[in-house]
Amino acid sequence: NAGVMQNPRHLVRRRGQEARLRCSPMKGHSHVYWYRQLPEEGLKFMVYLQKENIIDESGMPKERFSAEFPKEGPSILRIQQVVRGDSAAYFCASSPQRTGEDGYTFGSGTRLTVV
Amino acid sequence: QKEVEQDPGPLSVPEGAIVSLNCTYSNSAFQYFMWYRQYSRKGPELLMYTYSSGNKEDGRFTAQVDKSSKYISLFIRDSQPSDSATYLCAIPSGGSNYKLTFGKGTLLTVNP
Repeated sequence: NAGVMQNPRHLVRRRGQEARLRCSPMKGHSHVYWYRQLPEEGLKFMVYLQKENIIDESGMPKERFSAEFPKEGPSILRIQQVVRGDSAAYFCASSPQRTGEDGYTFGSGTRLTVV
Repeated sequence: QKEVEQDPGPLSVPEGAIVSLNCTYSNSAFQYFMWYRQYSRKGPELLMYTYSSGNKEDGRFTAQVDKSSKYISLFIRDSQPSDSATYLCAIPSGGSNYKLTFGKGTLLTVNP
């Protein structure tokens, strides 16, 4: 089992460009969660998706950020018109069902740098 | 008041020491608590979880909850250099069991 795969591991974008972060959940997992880790900050919940559905996007910034988890293929976190403040590590996690005390499995993250 | 607060560290100890990592939480309704370990440049991995009713032991690790003072602790016995990592407490919050609120993490270094 390859675990949760995120790519790219590192992404550099100029201000105003778009960033697309991909996450392939573990085999058999249909629930995906995105978290952001800003420098000197803890992990912050962004969005929870199931196949073709956004369940909870209460942690997503209102503008420029969107997420999807299509029927086929990886989950995508998309950031349009990136700004320096978007520089952070973005982690994806997955679980076989809506998670409880057993937590979820995180990927190794995508480190976005906006220059 | 933040939902979860964690001692920021960093913490540096000699090999074999007992390590105590701590968090406080604000909402007495929280039912269970998690500890994650994050190695440098990696994603967090779940170490253990415990309910608000008491302690849980797993090998060299013990998770403890003091509900009266809203205090959670992770103890590491006979610490090893391989334990060097950032430790994060996490609590399911916002009325859900999937949305985790994390502490900022404590960076632990165990020196051989």
